[in-house]
Amino acid sequence: GAGVSQSPRYKVAKRGQDVALRCDPISGHVSLFWYQQALGQGPEFLTYFQNEAQLDKSGLPSDRFFAERPEGSVSTLKIQRTQQEDSAVYLCASSFGQGSNTEAFFGQGTRLTVV
Amino acid sequence: GIQVEQSPPDLILQEGANSTLRCNFSDSVNNLQWFHQNPWGQLINLFYIPSGTKQNGRLSATTVATERYSLLYISSSQTTDSGVYFCAVGSYNTDKLIFGTGTRLQVFP
Repeated sequence: GAGVSQSPRYKVAKRGQDVALRCDPISGHVSLFWYQQALGQGPEFLTYFQNEAQLDKSGLPSDRFFAERPEGSVSTLKIQRTQQEDSAVYLCASSFGQGSNTEAFFGQGTRLTVV
Repeated sequence: GIQVEQSPPDLILQEGANSTLRCNFSDSVNNLQWFHQNPWGQLINLFYIPSGTKQNGRLSATTVATERYSLLYISSSQTTDSGVYFCAVGSYNTDKLIFGTGTRLQVFP
């Protein structure tokens, strides 16, 4: 597609449930990023992939968060045993170049609500 | 790490007014982007502007990298300009964009 696509758009999970969020980046984009945006805040970095390699996962808040991009295209962010503080919008971005030095484009996000 | 500050935090305008949003950053950057987050949460790319000046219709932006700030100008504002405007920067020693806290703009008819 023409832009970054994320699914599902909305997810309601019961506390303790596992969830998987999907990101389809722009075709040919090398870099893929995941961000978390709490209500009223700016997006916060979670993790970065260059092709299939996860080069930075310093922003993942706990070992319940796991991300993968096995073929260097589609990425999945998995959250195990969800907790209420995981409620947020999860944004995916992709860019043509490596790292932060080329323009990044964002998907519409997945709004996760943990009840 | 690099710090990004935006001002003002909130801005209320009447339709037709002009405004200037500011982004200050604490270190050298190799990327600076301005985004508009609409009421549905979508981050819309406005400008990719690590240095220099660009214009796109009623919007323009200037980044003075040596003085570590960027400005976003909105002229003849419209109600559809409402939302949150974010500045985000990338630096040479990081692989990610760091976002500012945003400016919430409300434009009334």
